[in-house]
Amino acid sequence: GAGVSQTPSNKVTEKGKYVELRCDPISGHTALYWYRQSLGQGPEFLIYFQGTGAADDSGLPNDRFFAVRPEGSVSTLKIQRTERGDSAVYLCASSTATSGRGVPSTDTQYFGPGTRLTVL
Amino acid sequence: DQQVKQNSPSLSVQEGRISILNCDYTNSMFDYFLWYKKYPAEGPTFLISISSIKDKNEDGRFTVFLNKSAKHLSLHIVPSQPGDSAVYFCAASAPWGQFYFGTGTSLTVIP
Repeated sequence: GAGVSQTPSNKVTEKGKYVELRCDPISGHTALYWYRQSLGQGPEFLIYFQGTGAADDSGLPNDRFFAVRPEGSVSTLKIQRTERGDSAVYLCASSTATSGRGVPSTDTQYFGPGTRLTVL
Repeated sequence: DQQVKQNSPSLSVQEGRISILNCDYTNSMFDYFLWYKKYPAEGPTFLISISSIKDKNEDGRFTVFLNKSAKHLSLHIVPSQPGDSAVYFCAASAPWGQFYFGTGTSLTVIP
């Protein structure tokens, strides 16, 4: 299929460890988003990429969280020194939006299935 | 601080009847609203959207209504089908701003 894919689908790690979560957007989509969805909550915005650059990273909770998209396609969300509170489903989405500033308000985002992160 | 609220965590409707899912928001700068549908173990799927310049948008069995003065929107599904059973999220954004999602409403359509 040509949808957004995320790997791994599940990740279990221990408190204090480092994890990387990968997102493969739909081919040709220039915009990429990361969200976090905790149990019983809706998706919470983390960061938005336009091409290779992070156009809006205001949702990253602290400096343990970092994301890259070096070639403007695949993105990796990196979490250092994981804490139990980081346990959530991490969702990636992509779109054809081409704006460079902030998240385009009329954007239709296509979501991947998510990575369920469990920090023990 | 929840800027988008879905106060009904669950809703059950008989097949063929109308499903009405509600969403309230607090930020008057929001000008674009979306509904997403989510099945277990899948990511949210875009369903329908509405701009603040409209008060209604219809797509097949799905209609979204926006009441800006009340800061309220609703999604109507008619007739409801068992395949509509899923969690529905509403989302809102201000111009050039991030999207804010509600906590979701789990819809069950009973055959």
